[in-house]
Amino acid sequence: DAGVIQSPRHEVTEMGQEVTLRCKPISGHDYLFWYRQTMMRGLELLIYFNNNVPIDDSGMPEDRFSAKMPNASFSTLKIQPSEPRDSAVYFCASSRQGLWEKLFFGSGTQLSVL
Amino acid sequence: DAKTTQPNSMESNEEEPVHLPCNHSTISGTDYIHWYRQLPSQGPEYVIHGLTSNVNNRMASLAIAEDRKSSTLILHRATLRDAAVYYCTPRASGTYKYIFGTGTRLKVLA
Repeated sequence: DAGVIQSPRHEVTEMGQEVTLRCKPISGHDYLFWYRQTMMRGLELLIYFNNNVPIDDSGMPEDRFSAKMPNASFSTLKIQPSEPRDSAVYFCASSRQGLWEKLFFGSGTQLSVL
Repeated sequence: DAKTTQPNSMESNEEEPVHLPCNHSTISGTDYIHWYRQLPSQGPEYVIHGLTSNVNNRMASLAIAEDRKSSTLILHRATLRDAAVYYCTPRASGTYKYIFGTGTRLKVLA
C-alpha cells in the first residue's frame, strides 16, 4: 500500500500565479479531505469529498480556492490567483466509509507564495 | 461542530507515563473521539479512537470520562520518538468532518 501521495512536495510561486496541488488517495477509500496547516490556525479542514462528490466546502477560504475530484484516484486543489497569506502546508487525507474509520494523511505540500 | 480544548504544550521525562487531556464539552452522544499525532515534517497519523468506554492499543490508551465531555490520551512510557503534536478530534455524527485545531505539543526529555 503506497499510502496517500501528494505532489509537489514543495512549491514556491509568486503572488498572482495559479497553483495546483495534487493528491492520489489510497485505493478503495471513499472519502478524500483537503486540510491546510499554519502556525496561527493549526490544521483546518477545507473541503471533503465522498465518492468523488464534494460534500462540505465550508472551510474553503474564498473563491480563489477550488477543488476537484474527477475520479476516485485523483484530486486537485487550485489557488488562483495566489497570495502570500496562502503560504502553508496543504495536506490531503483519505479514509474508508464507517463511523470508526481513520484518516490516512499524505506527506503534505509546503506552499510558499512570495 | 464539537469544539475541543487542549493545552498548548506539555513536557515529560523519557520512560515516564504521559497523560494528555482534551476537553470536548459540546460533543454529541454519537460522536467518536479520535486522537492523532503529527511528528515533525510529517502528516498526522492515527493513534486511537473510542466512543464511551476506555480503549487500548499498542500505541496508547484512551480514557473517556463518563459524561464524555473530556478524554485523556495515555502514553504509558514516553520515548523520544513520541515527541509530536497530539490532536483530539471528535468526529461530528452524521458527517465525516474531523476538526483538528492546534493540538498539544509534547516534548520528551531524555
